[in-house]
Amino acid sequence: QQPVQSPQAVILREGEDAVINCSSSKALYSVHWYRQKHGEAPVFLMILLKGGEQKGHEKISASFNEKKQQSSLYLTASQLSYSGTYFCGTEIKTGANNLFFGTGTRLTVIP
Amino acid sequence: EADIYQTPRYLVIGTGKKITLECSQTMGHDKMYWYQQDPGMELHLIHYSYGVNSTEKGDLSSESTVSRIRTEHFPLTLESARPSHTSQYLCASSAPGTLEAFFGQGTRLTVV
Repeated sequence: QQPVQSPQAVILREGEDAVINCSSSKALYSVHWYRQKHGEAPVFLMILLKGGEQKGHEKISASFNEKKQQSSLYLTASQLSYSGTYFCGTEIKTGANNLFFGTGTRLTVIP
Repeated sequence: EADIYQTPRYLVIGTGKKITLECSQTMGHDKMYWYQQDPGMELHLIHYSYGVNSTEKGDLSSESTVSRIRTEHFPLTLESARPSHTSQYLCASSAPGTLEAFFGQGTRLTVV
């Protein structure tokens, strides 16, 4: 039931863009995105509740394709502070009302 | 800033010992969770609670147990620690009607 993220890891130079994908085999109510810096707790970035919805947080935005059961996180003009592991959390339409977290994408931004 | 606290932050303990990881939140959230995370890996839900006197097992089977006697407190107990229990344990909570989770700083457990 856990979603699959791709890529597993990406290295960017400051100012470059990246896309992180999250794909579920189950029908979804919502998708959440979190960022976890090394040695710290995951921090909530945004939630997408409706199919087709796009949200933004600074230069980080996300989309949710309900039909394809997929979400993508877009990081534009990356900054050093964007480094960390990004997790998507999916709320599926059947079963317990919990989040299933993806496999994570480790993003490293270098000068 | 989220007000959810875990103690201890780090714990090294011998095999066979009983341990309790503490988690407290001051936000009045009904729903609380325990996740297990190995270094660089995904978060696995091991326990959750809808409120006082409610506890449920998560997706990942765990030998740990939890209790929820007070809204703000959700401790996790291992009766007999083993090296396979070595991991990071993250506690989280969410407000009613949302799954937006606020995480504690985690407890990094090492069983030797």
